[in-house]
Amino acid sequence: AQSVTQPDIHITVSEGASLELRCNYSYGATPYLFWYVQSPGQGLQLLLKYFSGDTLVQGIKGFEAEFKRSQSSFNLRKPSVHWSDAAEYFCAVAAPTGTASKLTFGTGTRLQVTL
Amino acid sequence: GAVVSQHPSWVICKSGTSVKIECRSLDFQATTMFWYRQFPKQSLMLMATSNEGSKATYEQGVEKDKFLINHASLTLSTLTVTSAHPEDSSFYICSAETSGPSYEQYFGPGTRLTVT
Repeated sequence: AQSVTQPDIHITVSEGASLELRCNYSYGATPYLFWYVQSPGQGLQLLLKYFSGDTLVQGIKGFEAEFKRSQSSFNLRKPSVHWSDAAEYFCAVAAPTGTASKLTFGTGTRLQVTL
Repeated sequence: GAVVSQHPSWVICKSGTSVKIECRSLDFQATTMFWYRQFPKQSLMLMATSNEGSKATYEQGVEKDKFLINHASLTLSTLTVTSAHPEDSSFYICSAETSGPSYEQYFGPGTRLTVT
């Protein structure tokens, strides 16, 4: 069974500082990988996804993530955080061979941004 | 585009009653919809997958007689929590995709259910 680990429950960064959110997965092969952001009152929004190819993936809102097969990781980064980035971030995986795109989510990392 | 709505956004019901949650894709047709449950400070757990016009597929451990899912049209899926108990209190989230498996799910804002 596939699983996702987000080791950091809560992270606080200053506005303008860089950010890295960690994500490790467990799966027999390389799954499809996703990062979502959840803001209060809004649905989860897809930041970026990795299926194959270039291991550095660019997403929306200035986010990027790097897939590292050797570490089974898919960490999310942003060079300069804005106060509006405060939210809950979820890493997710999906089996690429399934008949439905069923997602398995990590437990999330809550990002707090200080001014 | 690709907006998914849920109604109601929050609901309080008494133990033993049933409550229905609607999930609508507003500007696209959803061949597949998913229902998740999220406990406080925890991850989203997939409850079931539903395809328009067919029976939902429930994840292991999810009681299909308790959580009734109906995907009657390409824009509407409903989740009915029957004979609700306080332990059913949770945040329920739906998502939809245009064609599967596309791995491009659009999520609703969620429904907070409190059973008293």
